[in-house]
Amino acid sequence: QVQLQESGPGLVKPSQTLSLTCTVSGDSIRSGEYYWSWIRQPPGKGLEWIGYIYYSGATYYNPSLKSRVTISIDTSKNQFSLKLTSVTAADTAIYYCARFDYTDAFDIWGQGTMVTVSS
Amino acid sequence: EVVLTQSPGTLSLSPGERATLSCRASQSLSSSFLAWYQQKPGQAPRLLIYAASSRATGIPDRFSGSGSGTDFTLTINRLEPEDFAVYYCQQYGSSPLFTFGPGTKVDMK
Repeated sequence: QVQLQESGPGLVKPSQTLSLTCTVSGDSIRSGEYYWSWIRQPPGKGLEWIGYIYYSGATYYNPSLKSRVTISIDTSKNQFSLKLTSVTAADTAIYYCARFDYTDAFDIWGQGTMVTVSS
Repeated sequence: EVVLTQSPGTLSLSPGERATLSCRASQSLSSSFLAWYQQKPGQAPRLLIYAASSRATGIPDRFSGSGSGTDFTLTINRLEPEDFAVYYCQQYGSSPLFTFGPGTKVDMK
């Protein structure tokens, strides 16, 4: 059974960098079958795709966030990570990691982690 | 960028009724790369439908998807109490950018 679990600080100060990690169990990131993604949801609002990374390290970002986002992968730990720089209150959201492929879309999601940007 | 519009914003129905949710894309989606997700309060979204009409693993057959090009529909036959939730459509045809619709809330009348 494939599971994804997000981890990281729940509170980040404005202008600082938000850092989250997603740990994958039950599947190997190195399998090459999937794109490993980050998606966020501000409180009471809809879903916004942030970006994804392939096992090779290739990345694709939402153009609206591209200048501030870095997604990296650690295949030895079966993890991938998100860094979002220069955060503001508008970055306050639940952050989800999810598995994607063109056959099954986003088929597995983590439970999500709430990140609040506040001083 | 493909923009998805969902209608109605809210659908008030009773258990046992049929729900018909619409998702319209601003441009035609290649290979019908359109998915539907269900989200309940405090939970992550759950994949219901992929490739416009294929049910994901474990999804009851009262959920069905249809459509192509720019117009897509999610139908829920005989609403069960656990079906009252928010439903999002999502396109992945204009990759590398993926977009979600704003959602339709199905609530109990």
